[in-house]
Amino acid sequence: ETGVTQSPTHLIKTRGQQVTLRCSSQSGHNTVSWYQQALGQGPQFIFQYYREEENGRGNFPPRFSGLQFPNYSSELNVNALELDDSALYLCASSFQGEGTEAFFGQGTRLTVV
Amino acid sequence: GENVEQHPSTLSVQEGDSAVIKCTYSDSASNYFPWYKQELGKRPQLIIDIRSNVGEKKDQRIAVTLNKTAKHFSLHITETQPEDSAVYFCAASMYNDMRFGAGTRLTVKP
Repeated sequence: ETGVTQSPTHLIKTRGQQVTLRCSSQSGHNTVSWYQQALGQGPQFIFQYYREEENGRGNFPPRFSGLQFPNYSSELNVNALELDDSALYLCASSFQGEGTEAFFGQGTRLTVV
Repeated sequence: GENVEQHPSTLSVQEGDSAVIKCTYSDSASNYFPWYKQELGKRPQLIIDIRSNVGEKKDQRIAVTLNKTAKHFSLHITETQPEDSAVYFCAASMYNDMRFGAGTRLTVKP
């Protein structure tokens, strides 16, 4: 098992609401990346946080935002939830640099009804 | 941006046979190519990776090859076992911003 933990593990929200997901990075890692994994698909890169700033973003709208804290943990915030936001949200912890290993948390299963 | 394609989407083999999964990528700047195994309801787990300065890497029954010129890389599993059954994802990245393929569901029949 990795040292990457996410909370909560499951969440049900209503369309239009806002949600915050949390990720604690592995000891020694300083970078957190967030991914959305729809059922039966590969993880899609949302964004990455390094030195408490967004350090790269995938093709996701601005209602997906994040934070990184001094202890390298991170939050993913999604505003104005849509039904299509229902997915498994994964964070991956790594040490910033070219081609370094990334380890995933167990994910948060978000259901929007 | 980077685009990763993965084939096949499903693969069924007999126990003991070999399995090969292939991926192509579009961004020549990508320099790190990990492979993840994801069992049902679990997190993706890194099983092997390769960097762009290496053409081949092997770890017991698993090997990965990289052809930078053609921009494709492959996962090879030999002597497959039922516990190898899972979904396998390839990815390409430069600074940990991994772009994943759509996945290959591997079934190893006893």
